[in-house]
Amino acid sequence: GENVEQHPSTLSVQEGDSAVIKCTYSDSASNYFPWYKQELGKRPQLIIDIRSNVGEKKDQRIAVTLNKTAKHFSLHITETQPEDSAVYFCAASLQGGSEKLVFGKGTKLTVNP
Amino acid sequence: DAGITQSPRHKVTETGTPVTLRCHQTENHRYMYWYRQDPGHGLRLIHYSYGVKDTDKGEVSDGYSVSRSKTEDFLLTLESATSSQTSVYFCAINGGTSHNEQFFGPGTRLTVL
Repeated sequence: GENVEQHPSTLSVQEGDSAVIKCTYSDSASNYFPWYKQELGKRPQLIIDIRSNVGEKKDQRIAVTLNKTAKHFSLHITETQPEDSAVYFCAASLQGGSEKLVFGKGTKLTVNP
Repeated sequence: DAGITQSPRHKVTETGTPVTLRCHQTENHRYMYWYRQDPGHGLRLIHYSYGVKDTDKGEVSDGYSVSRSKTEDFLLTLESATSSQTSVYFCAINGGTSHNEQFFGPGTRLTVL
């Protein structure tokens, strides 16, 4: 079945620096790759997603890139701010009409003021 | 937050007792999911539903059962709770116009003593 690996597990940056989180997936049939942000004690919130027919997508300070050949995708956060501190999860879709997602294990991002 | 609620939000129970968690949505979405979240494991799918009375297992379904008798409600039952089922449980619905977009409920923190 699909397996999603996420790295790094923890990431600490200075305010204003960029942060990059990387994920790899195993199922070449996956075609949807969302990213979620989870603040402490809160629910995961969808922040950006990308589909397999697109190589890059941006939304203000966040962007996601997808390399289908290599089966990896990345989240880029520029000009980080303390409020970006959270756990970030990547996910990849499964096929077969189930609309299921498989999640990575998460990256704890800390932005130091 | 996508019209999804969970009850109870917190529960403490004893080993061997039955527990039922409820997920309620007001979005009339077809797909609903139950995940558990544990440190170091990310979000793992327990069971999901693709319609009324249509359910299937996820990757960690042992010890859990589900039911969906109407579109808006998806119930997760622990027939005989064990300490290994202490976790945070999230319900999610598949919403948006492009499918695959999952939105999460606020979560239920379950402690089994």
